[in-house]
Amino acid sequence: EAAVTQSPRNKVAVTGGKVTLSCNQTNNHNNMYWYRQDTGHGLRLIHYSYGAGSTEKGDIPDGYKASRPSQENFSLILELATPSQTSVYFCASGPDWGGQNTLYFGAGTRLSVL
Amino acid sequence: GDKVKQSPSALSLQEGTNSALRCNFSIAATTVQWFLQNPRGSLMNLFYLVPGTKENGRLKSAFDSKESYSTLHIRDAQLEDSGTYFCAAEGFLLSGSFNKLTFGAGTRLAVCP
Repeated sequence: EAAVTQSPRNKVAVTGGKVTLSCNQTNNHNNMYWYRQDTGHGLRLIHYSYGAGSTEKGDIPDGYKASRPSQENFSLILELATPSQTSVYFCASGPDWGGQNTLYFGAGTRLSVL
Repeated sequence: GDKVKQSPSALSLQEGTNSALRCNFSIAATTVQWFLQNPRGSLMNLFYLVPGTKENGRLKSAFDSKESYSTLHIRDAQLEDSGTYFCAAEGFLLSGSFNKLTFGAGTRLAVCP
């Protein structure tokens, strides 16, 4: 069974602080993704990665950085958190282009920036 | 966003009835996925589709790439079908890249006894 684990599950941060959201997958998938979910917008792609060492900008990358140090781990970094980044963040993994790219999602991280 | 439009935005069904959800794409999509987000917030993949149809139990989905739409049919709706259904499309012109999904805003489904 595919497994994508996010931590923390809940986070309260202060404006201007640094926040790191972590994601670990045991699927051996090449692709990993970070989405945020806000009411009325569905899921919007922030950053994604094709493999260790690669990060690509998604549709809404401003204010976020990403890091993919290994096949298993993909982090989302908010260097200077702002209240507009209050949201639910989902990490996902998927196989690469050669195969069926079904996405498997983690349970989500609820972030509140005060 | 507007590249993937889902309808209806919300739906209420009586237990045991049938319904269909729809997803329209403004730009050519090559594959479509349907997800269910349950009331606890977990996202589960329901279908991965190339053009054609798939069926799984009481759910059936179709993807017509020429007409740029996909449907998800729910037969004999049950209480546990409640949640938000998302469609997501993949396609180089749609997303500007490979292996990148563009999501619709979702359909909130409530199944009532």
